[in-house]
Amino acid sequence: KAGVTQTPRYLIKTRGQQVTLSCSPISGHRSVSWYQQTPGQGLQFLFEYFSETQRNKGNFPGRFSGRQFSNSRSEMNVSTLELGDSALYLCASSLVGVRNTGELFFGEGSRLTVL
Amino acid sequence: AQSVTQPDIHITVSEGASLELRCNYSYGATPYLFWYVQSPGQGLQLLLKYFSGDTLVQGIKGFEAEFKRSQSSFNLRKPSVHWSDAAEYFCAVVPNFGNEKLTFGTGTRLTIIP
Repeated sequence: KAGVTQTPRYLIKTRGQQVTLSCSPISGHRSVSWYQQTPGQGLQFLFEYFSETQRNKGNFPGRFSGRQFSNSRSEMNVSTLELGDSALYLCASSLVGVRNTGELFFGEGSRLTVL
Repeated sequence: AQSVTQPDIHITVSEGASLELRCNYSYGATPYLFWYVQSPGQGLQLLLKYFSGDTLVQGIKGFEAEFKRSQSSFNLRKPSVHWSDAAEYFCAVVPNFGNEKLTFGTGTRLTIIP
């Protein structure tokens, strides 16, 4: 079956703009998590959605937001982009959550560059 | 504060040699423990996980890890590495109750020399 699909794979934005990233989880998976990966901060948890509700949230400013649709597809949005938002944004899906099944399936990520 | 530590930023080993990557955690109660691998330009793939039970866990690609409660460690091992094992390895934990946030260590980059 198809894996986790993230679009776009690469994008370049300028400071002050906003960006929307999309994630299609594995069919049947209801939990979608988002992570930011940077050389300096490593992998940091942004938020997790389950059945269209945000279930867990990391320590990111309100400029970072997300949502999940009824088909479990998820989007994350970053408004008023800053240079420090340049990162690889990874989406991961699981059936109902990492504690239940013990596995997250990751997409290849969306690499965002902010100029 | 809860944390995951991977003390080795970069490790270089010869092909065919044994490998051990270190991971230590600091949590109030034993969390669930994972090792993930990330190849260049790729997402992360689960190598193995520990929830409870046998403290020696077998994973994919010939990897294993040993949970040691007394040392708060979950070290990853492989008896003989292959050139294809060159990648970045991340230890990760999630509390066994409460917030289901997966926390990653900073990663260890593994280089294999012929």
